[in-house]
Amino acid sequence: AQRVTQPEKLLSVFKGAPVELKCNYSYSGSPELFWYVQYSRQRLQLLLRHISRESIKGFTADLNKGETSFHLKKPFAQEEDSAMYYCALRGGATNKLIFGTGTLLAVQP
Amino acid sequence: DAGITQSPRHKVTETGTPVTLRCHQTENHRYMYWYRQDPGHGLRLIHYSYGVKDTDKGEVSDGYSVSRSKTEDFLLTLESATSSQTSVYFCAISESGLAGPGELFFGEGSRLTVL
Repeated sequence: AQRVTQPEKLLSVFKGAPVELKCNYSYSGSPELFWYVQYSRQRLQLLLRHISRESIKGFTADLNKGETSFHLKKPFAQEEDSAMYYCALRGGATNKLIFGTGTLLAVQP
Repeated sequence: DAGITQSPRHKVTETGTPVTLRCHQTENHRYMYWYRQDPGHGLRLIHYSYGVKDTDKGEVSDGYSVSRSKTEDFLLTLESATSSQTSVYFCAISESGLAGPGELFFGEGSRLTVL
C-alpha cells in the first residue's frame, strides 16, 4: 500500500533559522515524490518534485530510498515561507497522487 | 492560475439531502480529481477521472459518486449528505499521465457544511 507520513502537524521556527519538514513514505516500487504548498488564501500549488532535483524559493528535497524519506529543507527561513506543506507520492500504474497529512510551518519574526 | 473553477464555493445543507459540486476546466486536461481536505487527515482522494466517462475510486469514495460527460466538467455528488462529509473539497487537473511530470493544478476549493 502507498502511504505518506508527515509526523509534524506544526513546525514553528524563527526567521533565519534552518527548516526541515519531514516526510516518510511507504511504497514497494520506484516512487515519485512531490512537495506541494498552500499559502494563506492561495491555491495549493506544486513546490518541487524529486525528479527535477531543483531548488525552489530556497527549498530543496532529496529522495533517500534507504530511509524512504523525502524531507524538505531550507537553510534560512523567511516569514513568507509560512504555509501548509504537503508531501505527496505517486507510484504504480496510476496517475493518482497520495498526500500526507500536512505540516503547518510558522516562521516567527 | 490554471483555468479551474469550482461551484458552489460555499454550501450549507442538511443531513440526507443530495449535493452536487461542479469542477469546470478550460485547459483541456485529461485527468481530473476530487480531494477532500480535513484537519489531521490532509488531502484524501475521493475519485478521479482519466477521460470522458472513465472514472475510478480513490481512498475515500464511499458515499460519493462522480460523472464526467465531457472533458471540461467533473461532477461530485453526495447522494445523501452526512455530517461526516463536512469538509473542504478540492478539484484538481493534470495534463499528463504516467510519463508526465505529474503536476496537479488545484481549484480554490468548495466548503461544504452538513448540518
